Amino acid sequence: NAGVTQTPKFQVLKTGQSMTLQCAQDMNHNSMYWYRQDPGMGLRLIYYSASEGTTDKGEVPNGYNVSRLNKREFSLRLESAAPSQTSVYFCASRTLSGGTGDVAFFGQGTRLTVV
Amino acid sequence: AQSVAQPEDQVNVAEGNPLTVKCTYSVSGNPYLFWYVQYPNRGLQFLLKYITGDNLVKGSYGFEAEFNKSQTSFHLKKPSALVSDSALYFCAVRDEVTGGFKTIFGAGTRLFVKA
Repeated sequence: NAGVTQTPKFQVLKTGQSMTLQCAQDMNHNSMYWYRQDPGMGLRLIYYSASEGTTDKGEVPNGYNVSRLNKREFSLRLESAAPSQTSVYFCASRTLSGGTGDVAFFGQGTRLTVV
Repeated sequence: AQSVAQPEDQVNVAEGNPLTVKCTYSVSGNPYLFWYVQYPNRGLQFLLKYITGDNLVKGSYGFEAEFNKSQTSFHLKKPSALVSDSALYFCAVRDEVTGGFKTIFGAGTRLFVKA
């Protein structure tokens, strides 16, 4: 049971380069999320998709774009990477109902360094 | 605004001793509260949740949490700590302002259990 799968696990970018972080879940969850984790700041929400076909900004959306490709997949794009975007990025998915309702399931993270 | 606070950056405890990781919350309405754990280089994992009912909630790995409405607290506890419990712990609350689609995380508390 794969759960939430993120690719890549590690990436180094030069300032100004672009890249897309991929996320897929196999739990049939409606909602998907992208967070960044920085030391001492916990998890901050970048964007989320409450359901297929919708996306909304979180706390720190500047410099990012997202695409909810289908129910399974939710990608995060950095159009022009900046050193301030050096972070660990987590994708998560969640359903609001059922036994695991409201529980967020996380991928293993992508460690991104922008030089 | 809805929020959670974890007042301690770090908690140190000796193996075999009881541990407490503190969390306070601020929400409008009834809170949906969660604890997650993060081991090194991994995503967050769900430990337990409080939705309604008994104020003492039992979760994974022998952890439990006590909901206290008058003190707006949801402290994580374990009667006897293990070295393997050393990790980063996050308290979280469901964000009702956005219809429950978002989860708000605290900044995290690092637990060190010394042998």
